[in-house]
Amino acid sequence: SQQGEEDPQALSIQEGENATMNCSYKTSINNLQWYRQNSGRGLVHLILIRSNEREKHSGRLRVTLDTSKKSSSLLITASRAADTASYFCAPKAAGNKLTFGGGTRVLVKP
Amino acid sequence: DARVTQTPRHKVTEMGQEVTMRCQPILGHNTVFWYRQTMMQGLELLAYFRNRAPLDDSGMPKDRFSAEMPDATLATLKIQPSEPRDSAVYFCASGLEGNEKLFFGSGTQLSVL
Repeated sequence: SQQGEEDPQALSIQEGENATMNCSYKTSINNLQWYRQNSGRGLVHLILIRSNEREKHSGRLRVTLDTSKKSSSLLITASRAADTASYFCAPKAAGNKLTFGGGTRVLVKP
Repeated sequence: DARVTQTPRHKVTEMGQEVTMRCQPILGHNTVFWYRQTMMQGLELLAYFRNRAPLDDSGMPKDRFSAEMPDATLATLKIQPSEPRDSAVYFCASGLEGNEKLFFGSGTQLSVL
């Protein structure tokens, strides 16, 4: 199965700043998904980007995918305190399995 | 608002006891996943089902863990006997084959003393 590795492991920013985190993976994928986990809660799906897409936007989120480098990035613009959470990428090959890396812990300070 | 429901939310038990965790997937979803989350190991995939059939449980310790779907509205994860190293948060997630995203429950926080 495929598993992404997020970088950095932790990120601390001021409210209003942008937050960028990266994901690297090892083998070919059909799509790559990003999830958010607030403390004590389950993961919530944020955005999915397909292997034939290079960039996707959803509200304040921007995701890029570079299949030649086997990497993706998630940008959160104009961060808010409510964006404080852990963010996980999940590169997905054909089939049903979805596995996750260690995540990036983001702290947005008011 | 459709959601995945997990019970119990918290469970404290003693080593050697049987633990059963339950999950009600979103109505109509036909894939169910069990994950375990710890600080040290992160999120580990334990088992997953499609149309109630187990597809992969390679992530699960076979001697003590078992996962079943008695019907389409219930998935169970049992640990017997439980051990302190099983202490973790166990998440259930469901999805619809062909729609890639998963919906997670709030988890069962298990403490084995």
